[in-house]
Amino acid sequence: DGGITQSPKYLFRKEGQNVTLSCEQNLNHDAMYWYRQDPGQGLRLIYYSQIVNDFQKGDIAEGYSVSREKKESFPLTVTSAQKNPTAFYLCASSRPGAGYSYNEQFFGPGTRLTVL
Amino acid sequence: KQEVTQIPAALSVPEGENLVLNCSFTDSAIYNLQWFRQDPGKGLTSLLLIQSSQREQTSGRLNASLDKSSGRSTLYIAASQPGDSATYLCAVSGSQGNLIFGKGTKLSVKP
Repeated sequence: DGGITQSPKYLFRKEGQNVTLSCEQNLNHDAMYWYRQDPGQGLRLIYYSQIVNDFQKGDIAEGYSVSREKKESFPLTVTSAQKNPTAFYLCASSRPGAGYSYNEQFFGPGTRLTVL
Repeated sequence: KQEVTQIPAALSVPEGENLVLNCSFTDSAIYNLQWFRQDPGKGLTSLLLIQSSQREQTSGRLNASLDKSSGRSTLYIAASQPGDSATYLCAVSGSQGNLIFGKGTKLSVKP
């Protein structure tokens, strides 16, 4: 079964803690993305990676960090510097197309993070 | 900066109606446009992808159109069913493949 898995489904963080959200894909996609979704707002891009060992900041990268050591995996760490981390986090992947186009983007089931 | 707007924010229709969801974007220099469905508490399911050179795509009861020059896309749903109830999201692709999203249209189809 090909797809994107995210774990855990629910995550609770205490003030001052770092937590890591997992994202794994077996679609053989080069590009992976992390988005954050808040009620009443559209999804916003946190970080993205187009190839292994390379990644770029998105619109709201402050307080987050990522790594891309393997093609299949793109974990996101929410650090204590992120002041309002309670949100729904979605991971996605896609395969670059011809030229500068990109193909369909596929999403995982999401992780809901709550700060206690 | 690219902005994506979806109208209406919410829509309620009786079962069997045909309906149209609207999406507009401010910068016509897009690579593609994608429509998604999101059920409560779930991830996004891709419905249709329209490349910038295309005018429309169809999948079953769904038809999406794209007018790049005017910055508009529509998602047409034929013969709506209660199972179509969900939030529908429109997103346009930038040069790095990242998507810029609208806030969505919450659709409710009443039996």
